[in-house]
Amino acid sequence: GEDVEQSLFLSVREGDSSVINCTYTDSSSTYLYWYKQEPGAGLQLLTYIFSNMDMKQDQRLTVLLNKKDKHLSLRIADTQTGDSAIYFCAEKGGVDSSYKLIFGSGTRLLVRP
Amino acid sequence: SAVISQKPSRDICQRGTSLTIQCQVDSQVTMMFWYRQQPGQSLTLIATANQGSEATYESGFVIDKFPISRPNLTFSTLTVSNMSPEDSSIYLCSFGLAENEQFFGPGTRLTVL
Repeated sequence: GEDVEQSLFLSVREGDSSVINCTYTDSSSTYLYWYKQEPGAGLQLLTYIFSNMDMKQDQRLTVLLNKKDKHLSLRIADTQTGDSAIYFCAEKGGVDSSYKLIFGSGTRLLVRP
Repeated sequence: SAVISQKPSRDICQRGTSLTIQCQVDSQVTMMFWYRQQPGQSLTLIATANQGSEATYESGFVIDKFPISRPNLTFSTLTVSNMSPEDSSIYLCSFGLAENEQFFGPGTRLTVL
């Protein structure tokens, strides 16, 4: 079945760049997503990328997709303490999987002052 | 994007009781979903709420335990029946405005004693 994996924890210093990595197994994925969850809050859609794209940039966020290796990354430039949260990647399957989202386990990002 | 709300935002319930969670979207949306996030875990899809027909449940989830209603294109309910402490989780509704975007409600934090 489909599987999405992420590293569990990342610690960076304020002002540095953060790179959160994700791998997935479903080759029929249509879209890949990054969500942010702050403590006690719901999920905030940060960005998404269509599966036939290699890169997408949105202000401080850069998403890179290597479809051959099924590897997705999220780079946060100039990381701030407010970026501390759990980041989930998710992949949306094709019509055969009813377009449902499969989530990774989440990466907890800690930004040190 | 549309605004999505859930009620209640949190509840503490006794074992053996049932709780109905409401999800309201301020736009008509085709697809609505219910997810569960167990403590410290990622999100798991419970079911797809279909307007005018029975919900489609994922493996491991059954209608008797998690009955779902979707009377129209802006509203859905999820009931957690005959609760046990293992049902303590955050329950989130989600919807897609278009094929590429999927948003989440703020979640209902349920604690079962």
